[in-house]
Amino acid sequence: AQSVTQLDSQVPVFEEAPVELRCNYSSSVSVYLFWYVQYPNQGLQLLLKYLSGSTLVKGINGFEAEFNKSQTSFHLRKPSVHISDTAEYFCAVRFPWGATNKLIFGTGTLLAVQP
Amino acid sequence: DADVTQTPRNRITKTGKRIMLECSQTKGHDRMYWYRQDPGLGLRLIYYSFDVKDINKGEISDGYSVSRQAQAKFSLSLESAIPNQTALYFCATSQPDRVIAANTGELFFGEGSRLTVL
Repeated sequence: AQSVTQLDSQVPVFEEAPVELRCNYSSSVSVYLFWYVQYPNQGLQLLLKYLSGSTLVKGINGFEAEFNKSQTSFHLRKPSVHISDTAEYFCAVRFPWGATNKLIFGTGTLLAVQP
Repeated sequence: DADVTQTPRNRITKTGKRIMLECSQTKGHDRMYWYRQDPGLGLRLIYYSFDVKDINKGEISDGYSVSRQAQAKFSLSLESAIPNQTALYFCATSQPDRVIAANTGELFFGEGSRLTVL
């Protein structure tokens, strides 16, 4: 069965420092991978996605993620964070095919950027 | 205006009351979803609908029902609310990628409806 693990529930970081948010998934077949961001009091919005091709995916607001099939990981990175990046980040996985079309979310990581 | 609109944004109710959360969208998408968000649990799918005549249960449908009144409207009902249904509820929409004929997965979310059941 598919599952998504975000081991870090909260990541505190100072402004302008680099950050990595970890995501590991479990699946016996190829999947699509996503990162969503939820700013305070807002809904989720897509940050980036991996469907196929290049394993390094660039998203909005300077974020990028790298798909590593051997380690079944899809970690999110940013070289220099801003206060405005403070939000909750969700990793998600989906089968490319199938009737359910269900997007399975991780439990989220709260990125807390401090001045 | 938001593409996916949820009403009400906040609601406090009592155990046993019937509650309806409404969702409307202007994106023209066929697929609509209701998710529930709880701290430390992420988002869990309650119900989803691929078109007006298609309703499917998600992973936590017990205690909930839905109605797809039109392509643009999808409402979630709690027939008899209980305290453990206190949560943040999100409506979302999507549209399959017709080029590659697969669901590439991007969901478009409303701003959420915070429900408190006392």
